[in-house]
Formats: sequence, C-alpha cells, structure tokens
Amino acid sequence: DQQVKQNSPSLSVQEGRISILNCDYTNSMFDYFLWYKKYPAEGPTFLISISSIKDKNEDGRFTVFLNKSAKHLSLHIVPSQPGDSAVYFCAASALGNQFYFGTGTSLTVIP
Amino acid sequence: DTGVSQDPRHKITKRGQNVTFRCDPISEHNRLYWYRQTLGQGPEFLTYFQNEAQLEKSRLLSDRFSAERPKGSFSTLEIQRTEQGDSAMYLCASSGPFAAGANVLTFGAGSRLTVL
Repeated sequence: DQQVKQNSPSLSVQEGRISILNCDYTNSMFDYFLWYKKYPAEGPTFLISISSIKDKNEDGRFTVFLNKSAKHLSLHIVPSQPGDSAVYFCAASALGNQFYFGTGTSLTVIP
Repeated sequence: DTGVSQDPRHKITKRGQNVTFRCDPISEHNRLYWYRQTLGQGPEFLTYFQNEAQLEKSRLLSDRFSAERPKGSFSTLEIQRTEQGDSAMYLCASSGPFAAGANVLTFGAGSRLTVL
C-alpha cells in the first residue's frame, strides 16, 4: 500500500514562475515530512522538511505547506530556475523510524 | 567527512550469482537505511539499523537478501541467487540519533544492479 502519494508524474513551468508540487499521505501517525530532489545517476538530496506541529516552513525560494486535516503537503518553488529541473520526492515518517517515499514528480523549468 | 559512500556504483551480474554492496555512512550517524529504487518509483524501504542492531525489515526483503552492520559502522547488503527482478538502484542513507521533527536522511549515490 502506498502511504505517500504524488499523483502528478511531471510538471513543466516557465522560468521565474512558481512551481507547486503536491503530495498526499494516508497515515495519520506521520509526524515529519521531507522533500528530496534527485538528479539522474545521483542519490536523493534533502531539500526542506516540516514537523507536524507546523503548517509552513520556508527556506529561501522553497516553502513547504502542511495541511494535516487534508493529509496533504505541497512544495512551492518561487521563482523557479532551470537548475531546479529534477525529480522531487516527498517522504514521511513516524517517530523517525521508517521513511516512506512517494513516486516522485519530474519538474522541468523552461528557460 | 565525504558523506555517504556506496560501492560499487555499478554491478552487472548473471542470474543466480551472489552480489554484495557496501555502504559507509557519515561517521557520526548511528542510523543506517537501505532502500531500493526501480524506474518510475520512489525509494522503497528495505531495512534499517540503529548502531549494529537491525530494527526493521520490509517484507520486500526476501530470504535471499541479508544485511549486516558489524560494529555499527559500515553496512553490507548481500543478494543471493540474483533474479532479473532484483535489477534496481540500491540506495543507502544514514541519519543521526532520533530527534523529533529533525531527522534527515543523507543518501549515497547508490549502487545500480543489473541482472542479466
């Protein structure tokens, strides 16, 4: 069973515009959520995280929003840059044990 | 510290052969995770260690798979009698001691296995 879902396999945006990547989860015990970025032939790289006690966390151009009632989180990238083109995975964990990953969204930022 | 190291980066083997992957975590990290990733999928959890203790194993980890972390440092993942379905990227990650709302997995570059 897929406890973390990313329903959009791909997303294209123009450079300078906002990219919004979405993620849904089913397990109400998850208390920590992360976003990872992955380039081909490399391992995933940590981008930003959020604890379940917060509803927003911001780091430069990247903001993660958490809606616990809807079991939904999103990653906003603004402004988007060509170097942001990569596959983005959301992940969730409960008490820091096993981390569950979504299937990823491939972002293409068009110059 | 050079991060999480995995070896080999690529392995091509024939069906039925055994393969072993090694992971060297960040030195101060006591947790070590193994994941498998196939094309179009996200990383799938296989197992994780806290120090030398293997705390959790996925049902994906059949009896052909075994992982060890002697002395709580590096880890090995062995696959016996490989099958074509084992072809995947095997990712290792490590993290520090549990801290609520603060744990981050740091991944290695992965070991890509191709079973012919």
